[in-house]
Amino acid sequence: SQTIHQWPATLVQPVGSPLSLECTVEGTSNPNLYWYRQAAGRGLQLLFYSVGIGQISSEVPQNLSASRPQDRQFILSSKKLLLSDSGFYLCASLFRENYEQYFGPGTRLTVT
Amino acid sequence: DQQVKQNSPSLSVQEGRISILNCDYTNSMFDYFLWYKKYPAEGPTFLISISSIKDKNEDGRFTVFLNKSAKHLSLHIVPSQPGDSAVYFCAASVGRGSTLGRLYFGRGTQLTVWP
Repeated sequence: SQTIHQWPATLVQPVGSPLSLECTVEGTSNPNLYWYRQAAGRGLQLLFYSVGIGQISSEVPQNLSASRPQDRQFILSSKKLLLSDSGFYLCASLFRENYEQYFGPGTRLTVT
Repeated sequence: DQQVKQNSPSLSVQEGRISILNCDYTNSMFDYFLWYKKYPAEGPTFLISISSIKDKNEDGRFTVFLNKSAKHLSLHIVPSQPGDSAVYFCAASVGRGSTLGRLYFGRGTQLTVWP
């Protein structure tokens, strides 16, 4: 079965500090990977998606970036965090066997 | 532009009764629809889906209905249980078998089931 790991689970960072969130997937190969953000009172906003190593597509222009250094690793980064970057960040993987999208446990980011 | 809309931010239902969560969409190209359930501080979990070639899909207590002409779908939970209390997200995609798998989400509906 497919498992999605995210860390850290919670993070408190000051404005202007860098960010690195990691997502790894087990139980599948060559998955499509996604980063979503859920801001307070908002739905799920797709930030980035990747169909393969080194292939990143951005949905929303912002000060965040994503990288996929390995097949089952997806990283969300920022050089300088903004207050508006606070939210719940979710990594997801497309399960090709049934084309359903499964989510990791999420990272709660608070920018102070 | 919100292509998937859940106009009710919250719904409160008594245990044992039916919960009906609604979702509307604007993009006529959407042909695959999903419902996810989310507890606080956890990732969403897949609940049930429906292809546009169907108008109903049932899985235990959960049934999803699709009205393509109205661009509307609904999730019915019967009977509702306190453990069903969560945020429910409606999502849609173009092409279920696409390699992209890009989902468009609504803003969610908080369901509260009280004893």
